[in-house]
Amino acid sequence: DQQVKQNSPSLSVQEGRISILNCDYTNSMFDYFLWYKKYPAEGPTFLISISSIKDKNEDGRFTVFLNKSAKHLSLHIVPSQPGDSAVYFCAARYGNKLVFGAGTILRVKS
Amino acid sequence: DAGVIQSPRHEVTEMGQEVTLRCKPISGHNSLFWYRQTMMRGLELLIYFNNNVPIDDSGMPEDRFSAKMPNASFSTLKIQPSEPRDSAVYFCASSLGQGSVGYTFGSGTRLTVV
Repeated sequence: DQQVKQNSPSLSVQEGRISILNCDYTNSMFDYFLWYKKYPAEGPTFLISISSIKDKNEDGRFTVFLNKSAKHLSLHIVPSQPGDSAVYFCAARYGNKLVFGAGTILRVKS
Repeated sequence: DAGVIQSPRHEVTEMGQEVTLRCKPISGHNSLFWYRQTMMRGLELLIYFNNNVPIDDSGMPEDRFSAKMPNASFSTLKIQPSEPRDSAVYFCASSLGQGSVGYTFGSGTRLTVV
């Protein structure tokens, strides 16, 4: 039973364009949502988060949108850069636990 | 701060052997988590500790898996006996505990069981 789903295994985007990564969840008790970025041979690193009481959080080129009624969140990267190529994990917090999705591989082509 | 330190980085072992993965959390962090990453299931939580006490081990796949945290600066994840399907990348992460939003992950241990 996967409570956090990332339905797109991979995404390819041209440099300078927008990257949109999507995530769906099923548990209404999640109180925070996070995005992590992972490069090969490294651990995931925290990118951006959003509280369940917010609908948008922005940090530089990264914006996370939360639609609670649809149980959906998305990460927008504008403009995309080749260095953004990585695996992006969506995560949701319940209590002291983070539940992760399976990840989306983002490739930004120059 | 050196971050979360895991060892070894890579481990290749034969089926049936015992494997021990090690983790040193960030000093001052009260919670420690063990995750496993596979292609099919992404990052799965195996077990987590709060103040060195195991709180939730519902993600541990079988009795072959065990984890300990004898003190605030060290944790182990043991697989005995190991099987080829245990091959994965195992991550350790730590956080400041309840109320803390995110975790800091180590670089992981890539385990291959042949």
